[in-house]
Amino acid sequence: QVQLVESGGGVVQPGGSLRLSCAASGFTFSSYGMHWVRQAPGKGLEWVAFIRYDGSNKYYADSVKGRFTISRDNSKNTLYLQMNSLRAEDTAVYYCAKDKYSYGPPSWYFDLWGRGTLVTVSS
Amino acid sequence: QSALTQPASVSGSPGQSITISCTGTSSDVGGYNYVSWYQQHPGKAPKLMIYDVSNRPSGVSNRFSGSKSGNTASLTISGLQAEDEADYYCSSYTSSSHVVFGGGTKLTVL
Repeated sequence: QVQLVESGGGVVQPGGSLRLSCAASGFTFSSYGMHWVRQAPGKGLEWVAFIRYDGSNKYYADSVKGRFTISRDNSKNTLYLQMNSLRAEDTAVYYCAKDKYSYGPPSWYFDLWGRGTLVTVSS
Repeated sequence: QSALTQPASVSGSPGQSITISCTGTSSDVGGYNYVSWYQQHPGKAPKLMIYDVSNRPSGVSNRFSGSKSGNTASLTISGLQAEDEADYYCSSYTSSSHVVFGGGTKLTVL
């Protein structure tokens, strides 16, 4: 069925690194831009990063620019988020989300979400 | 970029209508018709309910409607049902070329 499944979350010390993965199925992954959105415990949603359907363009929130890298492998239907220099304020559930429209620039609408993976940055 | 402003909570009785506001600036809500609304039940992933200010994705009940006036967008839920109890988030495209969310509104169905 149509779904996104995140993995790779866990506990990491400040300054450490983690790589999240998001496996897509049930739709043509290579046709859609993809996003990462996070939600700190008990808080609201925060957009993190976007990658175009072919990986040619990437955008980042100012809060993660220079520390996080979004990438994708269309042959494996998988989205990634490499997180370096992690800080306590990066603690959150990280969701991967599909952009609503295929090809082109992002629509900034998220019409399919995974269940999320929890990242905890703590010593 | 600051988060959009939403009321922390709203409530209503079954069958009633409620409206959740989402206030931004001319750099986001007021400047673009790229406003959306998401519903999130506890422990679940968000679900897209409204996009392009007032459009509903297929499968979303027509009890949900969206509108915008100036820098404020609104989500109205008519004929409230127990299953509508959830957190609701607005979002908007911004002049910084990305998206910003509201702080979220907890809807309680009395």
